Amino acid sequence: EAGVAQSPRYKIIEKRQSVAFWCNPISGHATLYWYQQILGQGPKLLIQFQNNGVVDDSQLPKDRFSAERLKGVDSTLKIQPAKLEDSAVYLCASSPGLGTDTQYFGPGTRLTVL
Amino acid sequence: DQQVKQNSPSLSVQEGRISILNCDYTNSMFDYFLWYKKYPAEGPTFLISISSIKDKNEDGRFTVFLNKSAKHLSLHIVPSQPGDSAVYFCAAIHNSGYALNFGKGTSLLVTP
Repeated sequence: EAGVAQSPRYKIIEKRQSVAFWCNPISGHATLYWYQQILGQGPKLLIQFQNNGVVDDSQLPKDRFSAERLKGVDSTLKIQPAKLEDSAVYLCASSPGLGTDTQYFGPGTRLTVL
Repeated sequence: DQQVKQNSPSLSVQEGRISILNCDYTNSMFDYFLWYKKYPAEGPTFLISISSIKDKNEDGRFTVFLNKSAKHLSLHIVPSQPGDSAVYFCAAIHNSGYALNFGKGTSLLVTP
């Protein structure tokens, strides 16, 4: 069974530029999560989708971050414009359903904002 | 506010000995707890979990203990192996939510 796929693996941009990350979850998984992991910290949830609907986006900085999962499968996370403090690893995870279903993580995208 | 705390950033253990990783939480509404393991340049992988209705869960070399009154859980690895060297994250789920609330992680080094 293929795992969670993410691209790109690495991205370097200058502040005020835009960037987008892509995630393809495990086939059949209804729930998709985006986490931000800043160096030295644990991952922090940005947004959670159930199929193509948003379940929780309370910690998403909506003035600059946006995410979509239009067809209920893959998802994109966008930052526009980027700030220095957005430098982090962006992790995508998926699970079969909600609640305590195990979340499976992708390898992450390491973003550096200069 | 960090609701899940892992106060030891690193731990070094000899191969064959027991590794004990600790985690404290502040939110009494957390009712499900997990440990994830992370190798460099990879995403976290699920290791073991425990529901708040239990005080112990065991899976092979890994055992998680939960002390609800102290709001404390620990992960025991016996015996420790060099391949266990990784960063271990403690995480908790609120009884009305689904998101994982992670600690900062503990880097475990198992030396031969």
